Amino acid sequence: ETGVTQSPTHLIKTRGQQVTLRCSSQSGHNTVSWYQQALGQGPQFIFQYYREEENGRGNFPPRFSGLQFPNYSSELNVNALELDDSALYLCASSFLDRRSEAFFGQGTRLTVV
Amino acid sequence: SQQGEEDPQALSIQEGENATMNCSYKTSINNLQWYRQNSGRGLVHLILIRSNEREKHSGRLRVTLDTSKKSSSLLITASRAADTASYFCATVANQAGTALIFGKGTTLSVSS
Repeated sequence: ETGVTQSPTHLIKTRGQQVTLRCSSQSGHNTVSWYQQALGQGPQFIFQYYREEENGRGNFPPRFSGLQFPNYSSELNVNALELDDSALYLCASSFLDRRSEAFFGQGTRLTVV
Repeated sequence: SQQGEEDPQALSIQEGENATMNCSYKTSINNLQWYRQNSGRGLVHLILIRSNEREKHSGRLRVTLDTSKKSSSLLITASRAADTASYFCATVANQAGTALIFGKGTTLSVSS
C-alpha cells in the first residue's frame, strides 16, 4: 500500500466525451504527477502539479488538463476523448525533490469506444 | 517519448536463478530509478541510484550505473516466482523538474 488512491479503477467512455480521473496523494506529499501507460509500453509523463500550479508538462495536447487542490489531491481531465486515449492512467505523489521516490496509485483503466 | 530502452524485452528463468535487466538512456541524468509493476497495476519503487554512484544494493537487488555509457543494470539474485512482474527503469533529468522518464520495460517470468 502506497497511500495513493485513484478512482475510479475502471471506466468506459465514448469517443468525444470528457472524463475526470481523481487521485488522493500520500499524506505529506506536495507534488503530484500523472502518467499515461498504453498497453505494452512504459508510462509517459503527462504533467506535474506542485502547490496547485502546473510544474512541468510532457508531450500531451491541451485537452489533457489537471488540477491540484489545497489538500494535495488532484484531478486529470481529458476532453474530446479519442480511441488512442485508452490506457492505464497513473497518479504518483512525491516531494518536489529529484532524489525523491514517487509513490504510485493502482491506476485507472480507461477504455474509449 | 521514451527516454531509454530496457533489454531484454522479456526474460524467463527458473526459481533460484539470477535475473539481469539492462537499461539505456539518452540524456544527462540526476538519478536513475527502478520500478516494478504487477499485472498492469501501480508501480512500486525498488531502488534509486544517483548519478555520482556506481553501484547500490538493496536486499536481493543490485543496481549498477555507468554514466559514460548511459546505461544501468538491475540484478535480482535467487529469483522467486513472486518476482514475476514488469520492471522499468526511469530517469530524472538534470535540466528541469522531477518528471520520471520511463523505458519500455522488461517482463520477467519466474517459474517454479
